[in-house]
Amino acid sequence: DAGVIQSPRHEVTEMGQEVTLRCKPISGHDYLFWYRQTMMRGLELLIYFNNNVPIDDSGMPEDRFSAKMPNASFSTLKIQPSEPRDSAVYFCASSPLSRPNSPLHFGNGTRLTVT
Amino acid sequence: AQSVTQLGSHVSVSEGALVLLRCNYSSSVPPYLFWYVQYPNQGLQLLLKYTSAATLVKGINGFEAEFKKSETSFHLTKPSAHMSDAAEYFCAVSDPSSGNTPLVFGKGTRLSVIA
Repeated sequence: DAGVIQSPRHEVTEMGQEVTLRCKPISGHDYLFWYRQTMMRGLELLIYFNNNVPIDDSGMPEDRFSAKMPNASFSTLKIQPSEPRDSAVYFCASSPLSRPNSPLHFGNGTRLTVT
Repeated sequence: AQSVTQLGSHVSVSEGALVLLRCNYSSSVPPYLFWYVQYPNQGLQLLLKYTSAATLVKGINGFEAEFKKSETSFHLTKPSAHMSDAAEYFCAVSDPSSGNTPLVFGKGTRLSVIA
């Protein structure tokens, strides 16, 4: 299996622009998670889906952030408009089955820089 | 609510020396516990997990961790550090009784290995 695939690996954009991050989870995994990693805050859970349905989006920082999962093999995280404080590494992770001890499988992340 | 505390944001050891990374958890029920490793420019990878079987858990790359309920700890150890162990390590906890709530991660410990 190719693992969780995220694109792009790096994104540099100007403040005010729309940014879309993409994720393809591992086939058969029914949970998908979006995390944000910064030096100050560490690893933060933004939102997660079960069978394409958003379960908890309480970690989404503001209305500027939105996430969708139109099907089992694709998810997007959108920031509109972007701000410099959104600069971070964004990770997508997926997990198989509905068990609390199922490990998360992470993608390699998207490093976002907003200037 | 569950949480984990990783003592020391940065640990430095000499090559060949013992590695000890500390993790303490807070949970009202016996938890599931995980250690993940993150190499530069990569996502997190599972090192090992504790799911209420043996209290001493062996993982990949020679790492192991011991669950100590009396100390609410799950410290990660490796007898002899290798240069390739330099990475960031995350402890995480989940609650087996709460269905499918996501993992809660600690803030991470960066391990440096000195030649």
